[in-house]
Amino acid sequence: DQQVKQNSPSLSVQEGRISILNCDYTNSMFDYFLWYKKYPAEGPTFLISISSIKDKNEDGRFTVFLNKSAKHLSLHIVPSQPGDSAVYFCAASGGTYGGSQGNLIFGKGTKLSVKP
Amino acid sequence: EPEVTQTPSHQVTQMGQEVILRCVPISNHLYFYWYRQILGQKVEFLVSFYNNEISEKSEIFDDQFSVERPDGSNFTLKIRSTKLEDSAMYFCASSVYNEQFFGPGTRLTVL
Repeated sequence: DQQVKQNSPSLSVQEGRISILNCDYTNSMFDYFLWYKKYPAEGPTFLISISSIKDKNEDGRFTVFLNKSAKHLSLHIVPSQPGDSAVYFCAASGGTYGGSQGNLIFGKGTKLSVKP
Repeated sequence: EPEVTQTPSHQVTQMGQEVILRCVPISNHLYFYWYRQILGQKVEFLVSFYNNEISEKSEIFDDQFSVERPDGSNFTLKIRSTKLEDSAMYFCASSVYNEQFFGPGTRLTVL
């Protein structure tokens, strides 16, 4: 039962171009979404998040878009850099916004390769 | 920058033995979590802990597992009698609000 789906296992992008990572979810009770970056043999590193009351959140080169009606979110990285090469996980929570009771449901991840 | 730390980085044990995985969450965080990732699979939630008690647990977190916050800084996961299928990376996380910050993980190998 995949409540959070990342359908692209891998993505290759040229340095300087935009990387777009996609994520779909099925549970309409999710109200908070997060993106994590993970290098091999390390823990997930928090990147950016968005609450269901918003449709966009931006932090430097990273922007997350949320389309609630389509149950879809995406992470845009502009411009992409070789150091961005990692596995990116989408995660969702049904926890109350402002509270932290909710456990995170993770997607399977997308491996991003940014080529110089 | 404060971070979640975990020890040991790698634990090898025999099937049936007890293991304790240790975590030091970020100091002003109030919520604590354990997750695991079996090789090649998704990161899966095990348990969340708040105000000195379990607030939520998954079906993976059966009677063989327990968590404890023995003092003001440590947060531990105990597996009472390890099985081969417990081999995985175990991640501790902590949070103030919705953003959970993860430690580097402990690789548990059960032989």
